[in-house]
Amino acid sequence: AQSVTQPDIHITVSEGASLELRCNYSYGATPYLFWYVQSPGQGLQLLLKYFSGDTLVQGIKGFEAEFKRSQSSFNLRKPSVHWSDAAEYFCAVDNSGGSNYKLTFGKGTLLTVNP
Amino acid sequence: GAVVSQHPSRVICKSGTSVKIECRSLDFQATTMFWYRQFPKKSLMLMATSNEGSKATYEQGVEKDKFLINHASLTLSTLTVTSAHPEDSSFYICSAKTGGTDTQYFGPGTRLTVL
Repeated sequence: AQSVTQPDIHITVSEGASLELRCNYSYGATPYLFWYVQSPGQGLQLLLKYFSGDTLVQGIKGFEAEFKRSQSSFNLRKPSVHWSDAAEYFCAVDNSGGSNYKLTFGKGTLLTVNP
Repeated sequence: GAVVSQHPSRVICKSGTSVKIECRSLDFQATTMFWYRQFPKKSLMLMATSNEGSKATYEQGVEKDKFLINHASLTLSTLTVTSAHPEDSSFYICSAKTGGTDTQYFGPGTRLTVL
């Protein structure tokens, strides 16, 4: 079955430390890949997306993600975490190649940032 | 830009009653809107996709007669939960996209509690 896996349910890091959130997908072809962030009381905000081309994509708020076809992964990274980054992060996949734009989401990773 | 609102943000209703949730794109025309349901500690589950002026397309397992979706204009879609029961209690999130983009913009969600 097609799926998106975020192995880490909850991650705690110290402010200023680096961050990597993992995402793996199981689809036959290269899907469209997204990372969203959800803060309490707010809608999901798009951090970055990958459709094709350069496998390292830059997003907002200093985030980046790298698509690795051989590992079916699209991990999110940030070199130095800020307290305001505490939120829930979702990886999502559109495996239709952009034809119907339906997203399949992972279960999310909750990020806690310690001062 | 690309702001999506939902109303109400929270609603409590009695079992057997119907509840309507509105999703509006405030600064763009949404040719396609999506409705998701999010359970605690779970990912977003796509319920249905609606294109303006057309009938919604429901995902497998979603009861179309229970979750009525209307997308009558390019800025408004509504989800009506009919004859609500406690098991319908959940967080409902909508998203919207224009015809010229692959990106979905999400609303802040509506917390439905059925007593």
